[in-house]
Amino acid sequence: DADVTQTPRNRITKTGKRIMLECSQTKGHDRMYWYRQDPGLGLRLIYYSFDVKDINKGEISDGYSVSRQAQAKFSLSLESAIPNQTALYFCATRAARLPSGANVLTFGAGSRLTVL
Amino acid sequence: GENVEQHPSTLSVQEGDSAVIKCTYSDSASNYFPWYKQELGKGPQLIIDIRSNVGEKKDQRIAVTLNKTAKHFSLHITETQPEDSAVYFCAPNNQAGTALIFGKGTTLSVSS
Repeated sequence: DADVTQTPRNRITKTGKRIMLECSQTKGHDRMYWYRQDPGLGLRLIYYSFDVKDINKGEISDGYSVSRQAQAKFSLSLESAIPNQTALYFCATRAARLPSGANVLTFGAGSRLTVL
Repeated sequence: GENVEQHPSTLSVQEGDSAVIKCTYSDSASNYFPWYKQELGKGPQLIIDIRSNVGEKKDQRIAVTLNKTAKHFSLHITETQPEDSAVYFCAPNNQAGTALIFGKGTTLSVSS
């Protein structure tokens, strides 16, 4: 089983619909991130969380919300999806403290969202 | 916040040639410099990293070099193979850091 699991892997929806992308991890990491990937724009940070009670906005949080239901679960919601939110979304995790002190991220396989 | 630029955005080489990708950053507090590789249909994965107290690090065919004065670091791939074809991202940051910002990525194509 993957260390970081994203569901769904693919989703097609219509403008105005509410969508939730879910992420769960078995690595026991404290920190979780949501990124969006678009061609030519790389990976852009949407939201991140350092523990269950901590939520922080990233570069492009408008139009998105998140929920950290448990240490292992971090979900991303689009309250009213619009076509320019069509993208590949990645969840990533990182330990708060590592022996090496390095900020190594472990990514999920991605969730491809298409908004018509 | 950190401003990260990656060049080139695309790179095509023949199998066996070398490839170099450069990452420039703005935050002088950055002290950890990783490179991630994203294969088709997968999430990015760390392939090599370097800390600010080291100028170069090698792992078989890949290496990373750091110039802290000029605020840039580079990924070097020697004897490229078709399986090196992927998108490569840099993500310089402060190890105590919060948000982790990535470069826009470099698409490397290795033709046989």
